[in-house]
Amino acid sequence: DAGVTQSPTHLIKTRGQHVTLRCSPISGHKSVSWYQQVLGQGPQFIFQYYEKEERGRGNFPDRFSARQFPNYSSELNVNALLLGDSALYLCASSVRGNGPYEQYFGPGTRLTVT
Amino acid sequence: GENVEQHPSTLSVQEGDSAVIKCTYSDSASNYFPWYKQELGKRPQLIIDIRSNVGEKKDQRIAVTLNKTAKHFSLHITETQPEDSAVYFCAASMTAGNKLTFGGGTRVLVKP
Repeated sequence: DAGVTQSPTHLIKTRGQHVTLRCSPISGHKSVSWYQQVLGQGPQFIFQYYEKEERGRGNFPDRFSARQFPNYSSELNVNALLLGDSALYLCASSVRGNGPYEQYFGPGTRLTVT
Repeated sequence: GENVEQHPSTLSVQEGDSAVIKCTYSDSASNYFPWYKQELGKRPQLIIDIRSNVGEKKDQRIAVTLNKTAKHFSLHITETQPEDSAVYFCAASMTAGNKLTFGGGTRVLVKP
């Protein structure tokens, strides 16, 4: 399967800890976006990266950060975890950061903060 | 920024009937309107999309309509089947590759 992959699948952390989530885009895709989906709600945009540069940031605190590597994979980091950070974190890849190319989602990482 | 409202939040239909989900958006700069289907515990999957230069698009049992003047768009599923049961999300963005703003979702239950 050449789709978007994410790791880990599930993660349990304690309040105050730090977490790193990883995403590998579809081959040939250079843009990666991160979304947070709280149970029962639609996904909320966190970040978009294209060609290793941040191209957009949603309304999230500075505890959230991300980066994109030369192979276009990406990491999302969350510091000082709060209970409210419990959610499904989705990564989506696209050929470019804008233009007519659709975004395809990975399976997500389910983060539980206790 | 963009705001997308989606209705209804839940929809129960008999197998074979039609289902309609409606969304409104606020930013007139939005030009791309995708619909995603998300089954329990799975990733959102793009099922159909429409761009602002088109008023309607159809793919087998699924159709989307767009009214840019009124800033609303709708998903129509005909001849519903049990496998259509899922949560459906509408979204809006400037282009397909830009950040997506999602609606709150509609849980569709198709009763056999």
